[in-house]
Amino acid sequence: GQQLNQSPQSMFIQEGEDVSMNCTSSSIFNTWLWYKQDPGEGPVLLIALYKAGELTSNGRLTAQFGITRKDSFLNISASIPSDVGIYFCAGYYGNQFYFGTGTSLTVIP
Amino acid sequence: AAGVIQSPRHLIKEKRETATLKCYPIPRHDTVYWYQQGPGQDPQFLISFYEKMQSDKGSIPDRFSAQQFSDYHSELNMSSLELGDSALYFCASSPEGTGELFFGEGSRLTVL
Repeated sequence: GQQLNQSPQSMFIQEGEDVSMNCTSSSIFNTWLWYKQDPGEGPVLLIALYKAGELTSNGRLTAQFGITRKDSFLNISASIPSDVGIYFCAGYYGNQFYFGTGTSLTVIP
Repeated sequence: AAGVIQSPRHLIKEKRETATLKCYPIPRHDTVYWYQQGPGQDPQFLISFYEKMQSDKGSIPDRFSAQQFSDYHSELNMSSLELGDSALYFCASSPEGTGELFFGEGSRLTVL
């Protein structure tokens, strides 16, 4: 199936730094989703975006739905150790969800 | 708030055995999805159900089957298990028309 290009693949940052990751696709989506997954656990929905250009925040997280509907980014401000995990983007179209390859985030205290 | 419930959380089987995973979606969510996730990979779509009818099939092996019952819970049946079937299996549910997807905590299958 279709896969989204997510970058970077991994990040090592100092506590307190800001983080940015993004997803791109050759196809348009109706909804963009961002998830965080801890080892051995299910992905947890962080933010859902519903229309092109939409900018949504959830605490220290901010995500945007690209105006072309083919991309999205997620920013995390002032990172803390519990932000460690794998972040996935997902696009929704035609009753199907397509996932990015994930960004592994490590926060160094 | 109620979440997607999966059982069992962990399962160990021998090759060629059969396994059954269960999923209870969030109430009033009309679509259920099953995913397989290997180490370091993103979730791979297996199969989905809309209002208890199979709606889409992904990379689900012929050895696997699934169904959704009248109470909306779903089961993934896996037969003739192979070593390569060892993975995390997730069920997720979605409320109609929202484009949102909520995952369960997963079932870890280990095939020895």
